[in-house]
Amino acid sequence: SQQGEEDPQALSIQEGENATMNCSYKTSINNLQWYRQNSGRGLVHLILIRSNEREKHSGRLRVTLDTSKKSSSLLITASRAADTASYFCATDLNYGGSQGNLIFGKGTKLSVKP
Amino acid sequence: NAGVTQTPKFQVLKTGQSMTLQCAQDMNHEYMSWYRQDPGMGLRLIHYSVGAGITDQGEVPNGYNVSRSTTEDFPLRLLSAAPSQTSVYFCASSYTLWTYGYTFGSGTRLTVV
Repeated sequence: SQQGEEDPQALSIQEGENATMNCSYKTSINNLQWYRQNSGRGLVHLILIRSNEREKHSGRLRVTLDTSKKSSSLLITASRAADTASYFCATDLNYGGSQGNLIFGKGTKLSVKP
Repeated sequence: NAGVTQTPKFQVLKTGQSMTLQCAQDMNHEYMSWYRQDPGMGLRLIHYSVGAGITDQGEVPNGYNVSRSTTEDFPLRLLSAAPSQTSVYFCASSYTLWTYGYTFGSGTRLTVV
């Protein structure tokens, strides 16, 4: 079963609006990462938040992490048509300090209409 | 810097054939992984490696083999192709997942007929 689950599966907004995507996960993590994928392309890393961090910003992106609820959110402010893409959360599982096991969710498909 | 290079970009195989998907990175990254992406399934981890000579299984390893003899290369071998292995395959690498995310290749679109 998937470690991470994004919600909603699809989101359609107008340019200039904010977009919020959520991610829930099941087991203890080292960190949680968000990626963007434009149609037919490889994934691009957006932001990484460690398990001991609660909030992180990068440009128009804001990520929060609540380890007690095992959930994260990605907020894109003042969205643009170019933000149209699929967004994935990925969790780096905490296996006694081991790494490399980065598990992705199924993604949220964001459509920003001009 | 070329980043993560995957070859070929497209491939059609017949059921039962074997082949190797190539992945190379020139960033001296220790961590490398192979994922497959199917519609509605997101990305699923096939195999990963935390350094030369070290590999481990991911979520869906059956039907695939990997080896990591050098830091730069991480080939994925399909032993006997099946239609269920029709997918887009992505290779990714990272210096360390403690601090950095993965850099992804552009993918290999594989069709097994």
